[in-house]
Amino acid sequence: DSGVTQTPKHLITATGQRVTLRCSPRSGDLSVYWYQQSLDQGLQFLIQYYNGEERAKGNILERFSAQQFPDLHSELNLSSLELGDSALYFCASSVEVSGNTIYFGEGSWLTVV
Amino acid sequence: DAKTTQPPSMDCAEGRAANLPCNHSTISGNEYVYWYRQIHSQGPQYIIHGLKNNETNEMASLIITEDRKSSTLILPHATLRDTAVYYCIVKGAGRATNKLIFGTGTLLAVQP
Repeated sequence: DSGVTQTPKHLITATGQRVTLRCSPRSGDLSVYWYQQSLDQGLQFLIQYYNGEERAKGNILERFSAQQFPDLHSELNLSSLELGDSALYFCASSVEVSGNTIYFGEGSWLTVV
Repeated sequence: DAKTTQPPSMDCAEGRAANLPCNHSTISGNEYVYWYRQIHSQGPQYIIHGLKNNETNEMASLIITEDRKSSTLILPHATLRDTAVYYCIVKGAGRATNKLIFGTGTLLAVQP
């Protein structure tokens, strides 16, 4: 158990809908990361937050957004969902913004039908 | 961050040592070598990391060549539960971001 908690574990929704994935980082960690893993793309970095502020952005679609709240939990919002958004979404956390180990949660399975 | 090259797949007999190689010929002096693994559809699991000295923990050993252009992850007594994709990642310290860029990794299949 890495200490990173993600909810929900599984989610099925229809195209065009909007979902929110939630992440609680390890106790004491200030930085949160979101990754997407689909069958044909591997693990792709989406975005990083540190203490509530965005610090790095990867290949995150405009239909997706994220935020980190004052209690350090984070949410990834996915809107206007398409079939191709079906994937595993991982959250990870680390103590600082750089220079230390990142620990991953068990992921949220999103299926868009 | 420097790119890494890993074999796409390897086999290992249960109980034997698994040696997973990684090439990172363009690594810079302040870049670390990290190893993670992902057991089918689970979250990536941190294994070990190092800068230039060999490292050992309860999971594995990391051997980094003197020129730092390659490294080997050693699982001393592989079990069936070690079957996973193993990722070698080079990451700089002191950067503005801590993000990890994953490649395609090595699928290690431990055979009974």
